[in-house]
Amino acid sequence: QSVLTQPPSASGTPGQRVTISCSGSSSNIGSNTVNWYQQFPGTAPKLLIYEINKRPSGVPDRFSGSKSGTSASLAISGLQSDDEADYYCTSWDHSLNVYVVFGGGTKLTVL
Amino acid sequence: EVQLVQSGAEVKKPGESLRISCKASGYTFTNYWIGWVRQMPGKSLEWMGIIYPGDSDTRYSAPFQGQVTISADKSISTAYLQWSSLKASDSAMYYCARQGVASSDPIYSWGQGTLVIVSS
Repeated sequence: QSVLTQPPSASGTPGQRVTISCSGSSSNIGSNTVNWYQQFPGTAPKLLIYEINKRPSGVPDRFSGSKSGTSASLAISGLQSDDEADYYCTSWDHSLNVYVVFGGGTKLTVL
Repeated sequence: EVQLVQSGAEVKKPGESLRISCKASGYTFTNYWIGWVRQMPGKSLEWMGIIYPGDSDTRYSAPFQGQVTISADKSISTAYLQWSSLKASDSAMYYCARQGVASSDPIYSWGQGTLVIVSS
């Protein structure tokens, strides 16, 4: 069971806006930044959003992040078929001697 | 361009030892934290630990403390993940992961992964 809670699945049609939530606690999301990773089947993850809402070079501005209290969200606008992937949130956690905690991942399906 | 090239897949028996590697290039190896992330089949990602090659400062996630050893050889810009006695439950994909200059920085770059299968 992951420390950060994500819905196991999400879906949308091309062009739609979808959001993926990530729920944590005061020891992780509530007091630290949040990063998001995208992973296609059989490949390594890729940094998608860092420090809550920053995009690495090359990541389209269709992807955005936000945080409120102990929860964070990833939004994808103008959904495209090649956005179909697994998405993971992560944060730093000082309470568990685990340091970096991941969410369980959300499989995004583009219908 | 940052590149992390990992060693190939391994098939081992329970009780055997193993060391997998991650060769880094495209940046100053000693200036960034580098570590390992486990992904068991069909499961999420688990951060195992990191090392700062500049001074060998190493941090482990609690579930992995004492179970694995993370090391680095700065002369050849290579990080390692080592087991002294493998268990079947160690079967997973292991990713090398380079963070930033701070240990709390995100993982900016990933290796291609090393599949470890432990089976009798």
